[in-house]
Order: sequence, then C-alpha cells, then structure tokens
Amino acid sequence: DAGVIQSPRHEVTEMGQEVTLRCKPISGHDYLFWYRQTMMRGLELLIYFNNNVPIDDSGMPEDRFSAKMPNASFSTLKIQPSEPRDSAVYFCASSTGGGQYGELFFGSGTQLSVL
Amino acid sequence: QKEVEQDPGPLSVPEGAIVSLNCTYSNSAFQYFMWYRQYSRKGPELLMYTYSSGNKEDGRFTAQVDKSSKYISLFIRDSQPSDSATYLCALNSNSGYALNFGKGTSLLVTP
Repeated sequence: DAGVIQSPRHEVTEMGQEVTLRCKPISGHDYLFWYRQTMMRGLELLIYFNNNVPIDDSGMPEDRFSAKMPNASFSTLKIQPSEPRDSAVYFCASSTGGGQYGELFFGSGTQLSVL
Repeated sequence: QKEVEQDPGPLSVPEGAIVSLNCTYSNSAFQYFMWYRQYSRKGPELLMYTYSSGNKEDGRFTAQVDKSSKYISLFIRDSQPSDSATYLCALNSNSGYALNFGKGTSLLVTP
C-alpha cells in the first residue's frame, strides 16, 4: 500500500480564496483524522471520521472550515474564505480502531500559505 | 494549561550520546502512551507504544511511564545523526479515539 496520500503538497493562495485539501486513506482503515500543525500550537485535531461518518468536529476552528468523506477512500478539508492565520501544515491520518491503541498513519501533509 | 506539555528544544547532542526526551501531563485518565518521530517535511510515524505504567525497550529506544508523577520519557542510546528529528509524545484515555499530542522536541545529533 502506498500509505496515506495527500494533495496538494504545497498550496499558496490569497486571502479570501477557497482552499480544498484532499486525502486518500490506507485501504481498510475505518478511521480518518484531519490535523493541523503550527509551531505555536503543535498538532491540533480538527475532525475525525469513523466509517465515513464525522464523529467529532469540535476542533474545527470556525464555520469557514468544513470536511467531508463521501466514501471510504476519499476525504476533503475545505476552507472558505481562507485567512492568513490558516497558514499551517495540514495532515490527514488513518487508522484501524481509532487512535486509542496507538498507531495513526500520517500522510506527508499539505503546506498551506495564505497571503 | 495544556493537557500535555513538552519542551520544544532544540536539543543538540554529539553522536553516541544518550538522549532523554520528556513529557508531563495533567489528565490522570490517560492510559495509552506513545512516541512519534517526525522527520522534516514528513508526517509523524509511531516509534514506541506503552500501555499504563512501566518500561518498554526496542533496540536503542526505551520508553518509560510514571503515572504517579504524570511523567513519560523516551531514552535513545548511542544516538545517531539519523535520529535527528522532532519527537512528539501522544497520550490517550480508554474513552478517547483521538490522540493528545505534545508540541514535540526537536533533536539534532551531530557527527
């Protein structure tokens, strides 16, 4: 398996534009997580899905952020409109059995810069 | 206060040194303790996993958990330049499905 695949690797956009980040989890994994990483705040959980259903979105910073998982092999994180403070590395991770037993498999991340 | 505290470093050591990385936490419900390693421009990957208290050894790496002090440690023996990375602790409780990560400690091992 190729692991968790995220696209794009880098995204540079202007304030106010819509940004869509994409993730393909590892086949057979039933949990999918979206994290955001910054120097100031570290890794923050934004939302996670179990069997394509959103379970906890309490980490989504505001209504500008939305996430979907239309099927077991694809998820998107959308920011509309984007703001400079959204600049961060966004990671998608997948696992079997959730994070409770330890191993999350992370993608290589999307480096987002909002100018 | 964040639930998990970790000194960000950076920590610089010479090759062959013993490295000690630490995290403290405040939630006594945490039962699962993990260390992730993150290389530059990559996602974190699981390095060590421990349930409840005690020690666990894997090659040059040893993870320790002291629940009475709410303190966890990762020791690296005979450190190598390839160990240069950011090390993140991650904790979870019986009822949670999302890991609580520390901010990570940046380690540089110089030849």
